[in-house]
Amino acid sequence: NAGVIQTPRHKVTGKGQEATLWCEPISGHSAVFWYRQTIVQGLEFLTYFRNQAPIDDSGMPKERFSAQMPNQSHSTLKIQSTQPQDSAVYLCASSSRDRGSQNTLYFGAGTRLSVL
Amino acid sequence: AQKVTQTQTSISVMEKTTVTMDCVYETRDSSYFLFWYKQTASGEIVFLIRQDSYKKENATEGHYSLNFQKPKSSIGLIITATQIEDSAVYFCAMSYYGNEKITFGAGTKLTIKP
Repeated sequence: NAGVIQTPRHKVTGKGQEATLWCEPISGHSAVFWYRQTIVQGLEFLTYFRNQAPIDDSGMPKERFSAQMPNQSHSTLKIQSTQPQDSAVYLCASSSRDRGSQNTLYFGAGTRLSVL
Repeated sequence: AQKVTQTQTSISVMEKTTVTMDCVYETRDSSYFLFWYKQTASGEIVFLIRQDSYKKENATEGHYSLNFQKPKSSIGLIITATQIEDSAVYFCAMSYYGNEKITFGAGTKLTIKP
């Protein structure tokens, strides 16, 4: 089992450019989550999908951020017109519905986004 | 809304001793899950242990155990026989039944000294 795979590991963008982050969940896991981690805010929930359907996007900034899950094997987080305050580590996690492990997240290594 | 509070910013203990990290939470529901995760120096976040709110017995997993005090909304993590590699940031987290969104505390940095 390869675990949750996130690409790229590091991304540097200029202010105003677009950034797309990719996530491949653990095979067989039916939920995918996106979190953002910064020193100041800690681990912030952004959004999650269950069986590819968006369930809760209450943590997503209303402008410039969007997430999709076109198939069960990958999800993307897109940030348009990136700003310096978007600099953070973006973490993807997946979970299964198996009894005893429901709601337990397994994280990828993260993508460090730096906006210059 | 869920709220998870870890008041200990950092803890330092000697190797092979036992350490306890505190966590309190706020909840509107009687059914919920509690978790502890560890973030290593490389940034990797690893699931350690969980407690289901309806279970009275404290969860254990290897040298990790929990001190679940439901009336106090408290879930402490106990690490026995600590090792250098236990040095990391430890996050407490919770979610409700029927809602998979997990809310994390601010974390406690644990340093194990040789």
